[in-house]
Amino acid sequence: QVQLVQSAAEVKKPGASVKVSCKASGYTFTSYYMHWVRQALGQGLEWMGIINPTSGITTYAQNFQGRVTMTRDTSTSTVYMEVSSLRFEDTAVYYCARDPALYTWFDAWGQGTLVTVSS
Amino acid sequence: QSVLTQPPSASGTPGQRVTISCSGSSSNIGNNSVYWYQQLPGTAPKLLIYRNNQRPSGVPDRFSGSKSGTSASLAISGLRSEDEADYYCAAWDDSLKVFGTGTKVTVL
Repeated sequence: QVQLVQSAAEVKKPGASVKVSCKASGYTFTSYYMHWVRQALGQGLEWMGIINPTSGITTYAQNFQGRVTMTRDTSTSTVYMEVSSLRFEDTAVYYCARDPALYTWFDAWGQGTLVTVSS
Repeated sequence: QSVLTQPPSASGTPGQRVTISCSGSSSNIGNNSVYWYQQLPGTAPKLLIYRNNQRPSGVPDRFSGSKSGTSASLAISGLRSEDEADYYCAAWDDSLKVFGTGTKVTVL
């Protein structure tokens, strides 16, 4: 069955970077786009960007341009999302989500990774 | 950052019908498909409706979606206790995914 398994929770200091992984299984990794969505505690969903697992081409939401980097490793069917210059307001649960075509729906989600920014 | 507006809460007794609205604009709902996601407490969101009114395999037909102009709605008929969750509408807006503000459904 389709599974997206994310890395464990992280605690980081302001100004540091964090890299979250999302390992896909149960389907052909390069056949689906992957997105990242975050959710601050008790808040709504916020789209961060998309990566094409075949080409590695990325598009980021304007709010995250310059601070977020999405990459992939096709040999391990894993996508990565790194946020730099962390701020307290980056404290959130980060989800990867699979897209069956470009800019459609998210038909599978990772379990989420809590990133806490604390001094 | 949400540009799609939903009521913060909705409620009903078991068996009732509950409707959630989602209001957007011509740049998102007006010209693109609407999606609905259900988020049970402490879990990741789950796709409920795609392409305005299509249900993925496994989603009960108690859930239905519709769209008219720049608004959309999700209806839950025959409300059940396990439907207690947060519901989010979503659409694409010039290659930017926008989500609704979210509606918490409570089963009384």
